[in-house]
Amino acid sequence: DADVTQTPRNRITKTGKRIMLECSQTKGHDRMYWYRQDPGLGLRLIYYSFDVKDINKGEISDGYSVSRQAQAKFSLSLESAIPNQTALYFCATSVKTKAYNEQFFGPGTRLTVL
Amino acid sequence: QKEVEQNSGPLSVPEGAIASLNCTYSDRGSQSFFWYRQYSGKSPELIMSIYSNGDKEDGRFTAQLNKASQYVSLLIRDSQPSDSATYLCAVNIGSGNTGKLIFGQGTTLQVKP
Repeated sequence: DADVTQTPRNRITKTGKRIMLECSQTKGHDRMYWYRQDPGLGLRLIYYSFDVKDINKGEISDGYSVSRQAQAKFSLSLESAIPNQTALYFCATSVKTKAYNEQFFGPGTRLTVL
Repeated sequence: QKEVEQNSGPLSVPEGAIASLNCTYSDRGSQSFFWYRQYSGKSPELIMSIYSNGDKEDGRFTAQLNKASQYVSLLIRDSQPSDSATYLCAVNIGSGNTGKLIFGQGTTLQVKP
């Protein structure tokens, strides 16, 4: 089945460490997104990419960077993790149709920064 | 700041009843709207998309859109305990199909047997 996968699924790390979260998809979608979800704050967009050479900041990009290695792969990096980056991180993909831009989510990565 | 507002709930309904979930949005240029279901600890799952005013039905789910009132709703008929989840409203911001979504904080639905 065409799918969106994320690795790792859970990660505990310490303040100051560099962390990379990876996202791969077999849906053939050209658009990919990274979100974080915090209790009471909902889903917030970190970065998005409409193709390999088109990467854009979202609502809360400070402290994060991304790399679009291929159409199917989009990685999120925390260069120096801090405790308030503890959250649930989701990757999503979409393809533009005439009417919609439906986004489909991966299973998520639960990140804890101590 | 573009906003999407939902009542956080919890909304509690008995099994077999109709659950009505509501969402308002601030961007008048928004063209497409989505409802996601999210079980605790899981990822959001797309259940409905709508872009024309009026109703759109899919099984037990009906999405309703009123662009003039900047209002979108989701009706769940014959609610089941398995429908207990958080429902996220998402709005495509900006005119046209921009590909950027703003999510509401979600409404928690509890369906009691």
